This record gives sequence, structure tokens and C-alpha cells, in this order.
Amino acid sequence: DTEVTQTPKHLVMGMTNKKSLKCEQHMGHRAMYWYKQKAKKPPELMFVYSYEKLSINESVPSRFSPECPNSSLLNLHLHALQPEDSALYLCASSLEKTGTVNEKLFFGSGTQLSVL
Amino acid sequence: AQKITQTQPGMFVQEKEAVTLDCTYDTSDPSYGLFWYKQPSSGEMIFLIYQGSYDQQNATEGRYSLNFQKARKSANLVISASQLGDSAMYFCAMRATGNQFYFGTGTSLTVIP
Repeated sequence: DTEVTQTPKHLVMGMTNKKSLKCEQHMGHRAMYWYKQKAKKPPELMFVYSYEKLSINESVPSRFSPECPNSSLLNLHLHALQPEDSALYLCASSLEKTGTVNEKLFFGSGTQLSVL
Repeated sequence: AQKITQTQPGMFVQEKEAVTLDCTYDTSDPSYGLFWYKQPSSGEMIFLIYQGSYDQQNATEGRYSLNFQKARKSANLVISASQLGDSAMYFCAMRATGNQFYFGTGTSLTVIP
């Protein structure tokens, strides 16, 4: 299994809603990533979990709350979002041997989020 | 801090011709990895090729090759024999120490029949 699975594929939510994005991998990877991508722009790093601990938070607003319940699962909880948060949210994973720079990211197909 | 620059917002290439997509980077880490990803309009990120900072030879993967010039801090992607299915966004990315993985601004490639 070499897949990263993201659900849902599409999500429309109002500014007062609470929703969650889910990401799952069964490749034994120990690092998982959330990226935000606007159309025609590069993915922007949001959060990184390494061995189930938050290792990077790129100053993301608190209305985005990540969670890593176990090494295979990554969630992104959304609350009180703004229309400018509408974007493609990509999850990725990597094996994460310490100090190794050759580990590529495996990406899910993303969740297209629209905030009304 | 690492920085990745792709100076070509858009490129056009004739089918069956070769094309070079530029990428320059800046890092103070002696050990780093450089990656190229393709993103078709469907949105998935597809890994293409990898080059390590200590690799002596340029990486090749099928029709993809990487022109790595360490002193100039450049890692250009060469696509040979372009196909219509190569039309997509192409991102250069870098990983240094730690698990930070950052992308350049991207180049939109259009293959013309």
C-alpha cells in the first residue's frame, strides 16, 4: 500500500461551522504533513508531525487545529474559518529516518475546501 | 532559512522537443535533498526525481534528468521528448536537516501539439 488517503475530497462549510479533514497512510511513515495550496501557487507548509508529536507549526491561525491520534492518522480540525481559507488542503507523509534528506513526500489527492 | 526560486512562471514546448525548467536554491545546510514534483490539473502531486547534495552524478529517471550545478546552487529539470501529458505545474522542492520540506513558486508547462 503506497497511498495517502484524504477525506473528504470536497468540503463546503460556513464560517460558523466546525469540520475536520482526515488523512491516513499505512506505509509505516512516521512524519505527516499538512499543506495549504491556493490555485496556481505552491503548497504552503502548515504543520508537521514527527513520531506523533507536533514538530513544526508555521504560525498557522488557531482556527486550524491539527491532531495526530496515531502514526497512521492525521486530522485537521477547522473552526470559524474565513473565506480566504478556501484552498486545496494536501496531506503528505514520509518515512522520516533522522537526519536523512533523501526522503520524498507521498501526497494524498487533497481536500478542496470552500468557505462561504 | 531555505529559499527555492523558479523564475519561469510559464513555459511552452513543442511536442517531442526537450525543455528545461529552472530552479535555484539557497541554504546554509551542507546536506540537503532536491526534488521535482509534477501537479496536473487534477491536483495530485507526483514525485519525478531526486538529487542529493553529495551525489556526484546528475539524477535521471526515464525522460526526466536533473542538471545539478552545486556551486551555482541550481537544480534544473530537463524533460526530453515532451508529450501532451506533460502539461502541468512543476514544482522544485528542497529538504534540509529536520523535516522541513519547502516548494518553489512553480512553473506551468504547456506542451503544444
